[in-house]
Amino acid sequence: SAVISQKPSRDICQRGTSLTIQCQVDSQVTMMFWYRQQPGQSLTLIATANQGSEATYESGFVIDKFPISRPNLTFSTLTVSNMSPEDSSIYLCSVRSSGTSDTQYFGPGTRLTVL
Amino acid sequence: SQKIEQNSEALNIQEGKTATLTCNYTNYSPAYLQWYRQDPGRGPVFLLLIRENEKEKRKERLKVTFDTTLKQSLFHITASQPADSATYLCALDEAAGNKLTFGGGTRVLVKP
Repeated sequence: SAVISQKPSRDICQRGTSLTIQCQVDSQVTMMFWYRQQPGQSLTLIATANQGSEATYESGFVIDKFPISRPNLTFSTLTVSNMSPEDSSIYLCSVRSSGTSDTQYFGPGTRLTVL
Repeated sequence: SQKIEQNSEALNIQEGKTATLTCNYTNYSPAYLQWYRQDPGRGPVFLLLIRENEKEKRKERLKVTFDTTLKQSLFHITASQPADSATYLCALDEAAGNKLTFGGGTRVLVKP
């Protein structure tokens, strides 16, 4: 299994500002994912972040709005840029464990409120 | 278009009974299907994975079936307990190592 921590756990931000969310994993993993979960909704994949390559974004998400870094096999950051109230959501980091191949593990999430 | 549908209505069930949740999908050819549990304010927790060539999988009081002809998975919680109260999500992966796509989840409330 993989243990994932995220920082911050929650934040309240002003419109137009940016927030960087950190994701730390207790083991080396190849594939990391960032999801968004809006209130009362299910999870939507924002992007896949593999170490050593550019992040791959899903339809509706762009790098300028959600830049991602993946400097090593245990760490990633997601930045929510130029925030608006519509960005209020829970942002979740997730990894796929290479040991059990197909099991995916999630961090506790970052609850973001944009005023 | 592709869809993963779970019953959006909450499932209220008496303690000790079996809870059965459905996950239907269209326009997917999943290599496997996963079920997750999510408690309020927390990230999803992996429960079970069933592959396309498997009909049934069990883990303690949990049982999952997978019918690729009907394009449906059923998730059963037997001898349900109040601690089983949570939202349960199904997720599909069309190829090993690819991204997971989640259904909307079904909230389960087990009453003592």
